[in-house]
Amino acid sequence: QVQLVQSGDEVKIPGASVKVSCRASTFTSVTYGFHWVRQAPGQGLEWMGWINSRNGHTNYAHNVQGRLTLTTDASTRTVYMQLTGLRSDDTAIYYCTHWGEGDSFLDSWGQGTLVTVSS
Amino acid sequence: SYVLTQPPSVSEAPGKTATITCGGDNIGIKSVHWYQQKPGQAPLLVIFSDGDRPSGIPERFSGSNSGNTATLIIRRVEAGDEADYYCQVWDSSGDHPVFGGGTKLTVL
Repeated sequence: QVQLVQSGDEVKIPGASVKVSCRASTFTSVTYGFHWVRQAPGQGLEWMGWINSRNGHTNYAHNVQGRLTLTTDASTRTVYMQLTGLRSDDTAIYYCTHWGEGDSFLDSWGQGTLVTVSS
Repeated sequence: SYVLTQPPSVSEAPGKTATITCGGDNIGIKSVHWYQQKPGQAPLLVIFSDGDRPSGIPERFSGSNSGNTATLIIRRVEAGDEADYYCQVWDSSGDHPVFGGGTKLTVL
């Protein structure tokens, strides 16, 4: 199973940007890509976007389109999530998850990164 | 976007069977997955493809899916099963996963 380790918690002011990293223990032959899912305090899980680590194709949720950018660096097995124009309602724990080829589920999750947006 | 509906909370006594439902339009033709999230922890996949268990997940966890309702079944409930549970399917029109709102399981 792929292990995912994310970067540390962040505190940002409104309007700023944040970039969270997620390093995978391995890119297996069945690794298709990675999703990012966030969870606001006391709330449920919200899908934000995915990136195909084989070709770089992405798909973003409508409510973050234009502010979210997902990238990968295969040489370091690291996936990045950058969110710009931060607002207070972006305060959440952000999780990266592994996506296996042919799977519609998310089989491994990072430990989560808390991003707090506050003036 | 496809909508999944879960009850906010379910309670059950230790040793009994807990059932958590996930409603969706004709969900029976979709593949449903379930995640367990304990306080302060990341979600953990406990059931995939309606009723399969990842390695390491106890046999007490099972699932079913038919018609407009998918169900997570936890037999011989233990205090350690107390957690939030989320169902998830793939929205083929938007090409992305969709989560239910989550159900808090309380072990009495």
